[in-house]
Amino acid sequence: GDSVTQMEGPVTLSEEACLTINCTYTATGYPSLFWYVQYPGEGLQLLLKATKADDKGSNKGFEATYRKETTSFHLEKGSVQVSDSAVYFCAPMKTSYDKVIFGPGTSLSVIP
Amino acid sequence: NAGVTQTPKFRILKIGQSMTLQCTQDMNHNYMYWYRQDPGMGLKLIYYSVGAGITDKGEVPNGYNVSRSTTEDFPLRLELAAPSQTSVYFCASSWEREYEQFFGPGTRLTVL
Repeated sequence: GDSVTQMEGPVTLSEEACLTINCTYTATGYPSLFWYVQYPGEGLQLLLKATKADDKGSNKGFEATYRKETTSFHLEKGSVQVSDSAVYFCAPMKTSYDKVIFGPGTSLSVIP
Repeated sequence: NAGVTQTPKFRILKIGQSMTLQCTQDMNHNYMYWYRQDPGMGLKLIYYSVGAGITDKGEVPNGYNVSRSTTEDFPLRLELAAPSQTSVYFCASSWEREYEQFFGPGTRLTVL
């Protein structure tokens, strides 16, 4: 069945370090791909999305490129800030059932 | 716009009790969802709805019921609460299935 594998956390980085959170998925067809972020004590909110191969989603300095050949959607940021501390969820859309599959989440802590 | 609102924020139930978690959205979204998030885990879909009067099961529907009598409201009913239902519950909505999901702030439920 459809599934998503995310880099295990927690991840701890110093401010201004580079970030990559890996995400790979298995799905029938070509799903839309999402990254959601959950700040402490809050619900999830959309960070970025891509709807077709080679699309690049970007927001708040984060980027992710839809790689059809490797079924991946890795999240990257060149210089993280303390305010980026949160849990990040990779979420491909399960097109056959109108549902998004959320990965297990990767917890990121950025220290000054 | 208030977005997606959930009540209550916190609740403690005794085993065997019942309760309804309320969810309301004011964005005129067609799709609504209920998820549960267990500690350190991703989100699991409980039920979803593609419009008023239409509901369907997600991955973990046992022990729960939903209804969707209006576009705005999507209450989740727990009958005969069990300790395994201790979790954080999130309601979400979206315009269409491949659009961004908007999440409520969550309800933290403990069953003792």
